[in-house]
Amino acid sequence: ILNVEQSPQSLHVQEGDSTNFTCSFPSSNFYALHWYRWETAKSPEALFVMTLNGDEKKKGRISATLNTKEGYSYLYIKGSQPEDSATYLCASDRWGGKLIFGQGTELSVKP
Amino acid sequence: GAVVSQHPSWVICKSGTSVKIECRSLDFQATTMFWYRQFPKQSLMLMATSNEGSKATYEQGVEKDKFLINHASLTLSTLTVTSAHPEDSSFYICSARKGQVDEAFFGQGTRLTVV
Repeated sequence: ILNVEQSPQSLHVQEGDSTNFTCSFPSSNFYALHWYRWETAKSPEALFVMTLNGDEKKKGRISATLNTKEGYSYLYIKGSQPEDSATYLCASDRWGGKLIFGQGTELSVKP
Repeated sequence: GAVVSQHPSWVICKSGTSVKIECRSLDFQATTMFWYRQFPKQSLMLMATSNEGSKATYEQGVEKDKFLINHASLTLSTLTVTSAHPEDSSFYICSARKGQVDEAFFGQGTRLTVV
């Protein structure tokens, strides 16, 4: 995999549903994997910066896992709420500076 | 967290004119800032790395004479779109990091429309 790819592109869920997204990234020269949440009319905001294979991080109802050997990360949202509606971006940090972003997963949570 | 401020948030300019976008780190010093461009329904595409006190490093395919970057201080980087044309219309956003292992902090972005 040469690029950072995210799936699905968009997701519509009901309030209370749990959901997950996938981020695939180049496993060679890996340095870190970032997850960001980007709400409309706001700046992207960091959720997690992950560096270790097998790492799992959690922030409230949101968690993420990392597999650096196969080049993928999952983001999980438990019990989705309308305020979780946003675009979720992952980014590969291969040189400790530049971030290469995926196209994002647009999440819409209906009340 | 940290604050990165970007101005203007939107700008409309005539074809052939130049537009300057500012990116400031308000509460930390950033020796390096990054400029991204986003096309509709696409990801943030890295344009260039702005280095304080030295020349910017441009990504492949980005015209350095079209997109002039100046990083004159540890808290300010500017992107000037020179001789703008309608195809330069896009969303431009900057980011900065406190350290190499840290998260990126983003500006609010600038919506440029060239008419």
